[in-house]
Amino acid sequence: QKEVEQNSGPLSVPEGAIASLNCTYSDRGSQSFFWYRQYSGKSPELIMSIYSNGDKEDGRFTAQLNKASQYVSLLIRDSQPSDSATYLCAVNIGRGYQKVTFGTGTKLQVIP
Amino acid sequence: DGGITQSPKYLFRKEGQNVTLSCEQNLNHDAMYWYRQDPGQGLRLIYYSQIVNDFQKGDIAEGYSVSREKKESFPLTVTSAQKNPTAFYLCASSIVPDTQYFGPGTRLTVL
Repeated sequence: QKEVEQNSGPLSVPEGAIASLNCTYSDRGSQSFFWYRQYSGKSPELIMSIYSNGDKEDGRFTAQLNKASQYVSLLIRDSQPSDSATYLCAVNIGRGYQKVTFGTGTKLQVIP
Repeated sequence: DGGITQSPKYLFRKEGQNVTLSCEQNLNHDAMYWYRQDPGQGLRLIYYSQIVNDFQKGDIAEGYSVSREKKESFPLTVTSAQKNPTAFYLCASSIVPDTQYFGPGTRLTVL
């Protein structure tokens, strides 16, 4: 079982819709969770971090964490074509040097 | 203007050649990291450093070497022992070993 799993997609949503991206992780001791956005050919940029169960909102983005079910999700409201990118989930599994493990990413396509 | 810089943006290596990728940060971050990204794959950790003059192997350190002589610099050398070095190389830093910020990356191609 992979430590961090994401559906590779592509996930296609129409412009203005809500995009829902999901991530599951295997280590119950995981402490912190991150979402990065990566445009084709570019480096990842941090969108949000979340540490506690529940929702965390930042503009059009909402991160949701459920430690009991070991999943973290990212909702993008009012999706725009500029949101089309690969979204990487990252989890700090909290061992030793606080290793952050990245998922392989979900490709999102927002259709105008 | 704070940030992480990587150079060069593109690098071409001949067989049997060692090449060094530069990573510099002026964020005053203690921890620095090197990752490799291959098409359709996630980020794989090569080396990390939590403090000057100390670094540790990541998951795929074979064929790579690093140094951390200054807080702001963490160069990566891809040696001839790395048999499949063509990839996108990403350097990151963090103030604590947690939230990481990435540089723009170096794309290495073997000729």
